[in-house]
Amino acid sequence: EPEVTQTPSHQVTQMGQEVILRCVPISNHLYFYWYRQILGQKVEFLVSFYNNEISEKSEIFDDQFSVERPDGSNFTLKIRSTKLEDSAMYFCASIGTGANVLTFGAGSRLTVL
Amino acid sequence: AQSVAQPEDQVNVAEGNPLTVKCTYSVSGNPYLFWYVQYPNRGLQFLLKYITGDNLVKGSYGFEAEFNKSQTSFHLKKPSALVSDSALYFCAVRGFSGGYNKLIFGAGTRLAVHP
Repeated sequence: EPEVTQTPSHQVTQMGQEVILRCVPISNHLYFYWYRQILGQKVEFLVSFYNNEISEKSEIFDDQFSVERPDGSNFTLKIRSTKLEDSAMYFCASIGTGANVLTFGAGSRLTVL
Repeated sequence: AQSVAQPEDQVNVAEGNPLTVKCTYSVSGNPYLFWYVQYPNRGLQFLLKYITGDNLVKGSYGFEAEFNKSQTSFHLKKPSALVSDSALYFCAVRGFSGGYNKLIFGAGTRLAVHP
């Protein structure tokens, strides 16, 4: 069964450092998402992306965050200058046109020290 | 604005007993509703959905959910719980503003099934 792949599975970084989280969505999917889950808490929407541009973003997704689809397969989330409160599990998801179910990756755990 | 409420932080049930995890929603128009499960240190796995049709929908691992329009609820159920069902369960509704198929999640309910 096709999967959404995320790397790294866990990253530890110092406050103020830049972090890039990578995702490979399912190959024929066109809509991509990033969600965040602070440990054991609610899953929060960050951003959606379609046709090489952001279609919607939440209040959490401020100027420190950016997304990019640098090639035909990868979808990245960049945090420019990490803060302690960015520590969370970040989930990538994708969905195909006309489908109803988002497929999530296994997540990337970010720990900011 | 669309929203989802899961009123219970945790549900405890004995193995073999029926379980219910509650979810209510608020959405304009016809709701698209979903349940996802998260096992420890794992991602979100799709369990089941309601889009249209029969109010009782069946999903993975023997779970089912009942859509009740008048009560705006979509409770998750299973006739006989297993210890392996212990996990974090999220109810979600599809948001219709902006991003196609954006999901709005509830706060999650931790299910603990005791032997």
